Amino acid sequence: DAMVIQNPRYQVTQFGKPVTLSCSQTLNHNVMYWYQQKSSQAPKLLFHYYDKDFNNEADTPDNFQSRRPNTSFCFLDIRSPGLGDAAMYLCATSRVTSGGIHEQYFGPGTRLTVT
Amino acid sequence: DQQVKQNSPSLSVQEGRISILNCDYTNSMFDYFLWYKKYPAEGPTFLISISSIKDKNEDGRFTVFLNKSAKHLSLHIVPSQPGDSAVYFCAASTANFGNEKLTFGTGTRLTIIP
Repeated sequence: DAMVIQNPRYQVTQFGKPVTLSCSQTLNHNVMYWYQQKSSQAPKLLFHYYDKDFNNEADTPDNFQSRRPNTSFCFLDIRSPGLGDAAMYLCATSRVTSGGIHEQYFGPGTRLTVT
Repeated sequence: DQQVKQNSPSLSVQEGRISILNCDYTNSMFDYFLWYKKYPAEGPTFLISISSIKDKNEDGRFTVFLNKSAKHLSLHIVPSQPGDSAVYFCAASTANFGNEKLTFGTGTRLTIIP
């Protein structure tokens, strides 16, 4: 089945220790997103790639970086995780439909714990 | 500034009855709305959508109603089933530049009581 895969599902890192979360997709969608979601809050868009074009949200901290080496893979790098970065990180993909709309497909998420 | 609002954090409904989840938005530029369903430890899954040129879209047990003048939409689930217990997110988008981005509400946790 075509899908969005995130690894690992659970990640524990130490305060200040760099961590990388990965996402892959078999949907061949040209847009990939990274969201941060904290408990009882809306998913917050960090950045997205439209093909190779990187789009950073204005309020995304510099501590968060992303790489998309090819269509299928996208990585989220947190350079120096703080306690406030503990959250669920969701990867999503989309492509434009005939109606000009993007329906996003989400992976299962990676829950990050910072100790 | 929360442009998409789901004012009810939780809702409990008896099995077999109708579940109505509400969503309000403030940005009049939104012209496409989606509902996502999320189970614990899983990512959100797309449920149903509606374009602003319509006021109703139906898919099986799920119907979404849009009231543009009130900037309000609702998701109706009838009859409600135990498997519908999940968190439901409302999301909105534009059809113009930047249409690949969604703005999400904070979600409503629906619990179906057997």
